[in-house]
Amino acid sequence: EVQLVQSGAEVKEPGESLKISCRGSGYSFFSHWIGWVRQMPGKGLEWMGIIYPTDSNTIYSPSFRGQVTISVDKSINTAYLQWSSLKASDTAIYYCARRIKWDLLQDSFDPWGQGTLVTVSS
Amino acid sequence: QSVLTQPPSVSAAPGQKVTISCSGSSSNIGNNFVSWYQQFPGTAPKLLVYENSKRPSAIPDRFSGSKSGTSATLGITGLQTGDEADYYCGTWDSSLSVGVFGTGTKVTVL
Repeated sequence: EVQLVQSGAEVKEPGESLKISCRGSGYSFFSHWIGWVRQMPGKGLEWMGIIYPTDSNTIYSPSFRGQVTISVDKSINTAYLQWSSLKASDTAIYYCARRIKWDLLQDSFDPWGQGTLVTVSS
Repeated sequence: QSVLTQPPSVSAAPGQKVTISCSGSSSNIGNNFVSWYQQFPGTAPKLLVYENSKRPSAIPDRFSGSKSGTSATLGITGLQTGDEADYYCGTWDSSLSVGVFGTGTKVTVL
């Protein structure tokens, strides 16, 4: 079974750093882009960026470039999303998802991780 | 602000059909494949349709996708109470060189 399992919920204070993870299993981790998607409370889906595990090629949405870092550790089939200095506005659920096609023009995600709730509050 | 526009909500009685539109431009829907996702409250999105009209094997044929020009449509026939959820379209935007999602549509079964 193809599966993405994300790390657990986090509660942080503004200014703190954070790194959340997404571990893939049941497929060739190297062969599929992994994407990150933000969903703020009561809001829609926002495409943050994607990474190709084979060469760590990363594409960021302009809205998130410089705000987060996407990385991958091929040795443990895990992708990461990290912040160096969290803000209250980063409070959201973050999903990772596997892109089903290599072609950049075919932007479909399946499956999705269960989501990681990040709460930033003083 | 999303570059793909969906109606905030649609509704119909059980057994009826609903359609959800997704409006974009030539830089996204007009020249790239469209996907559709279903999301129940408190759960992760699930892929319903990819490459405009293809369904993953586990998705029933009550769900269908189509595309014409710079718009795409998701249809749900034989509406069930279990179909109440939020639905999102998504595609690649070749001008922005990023993926984009629609604004989302809430389906209500009356």
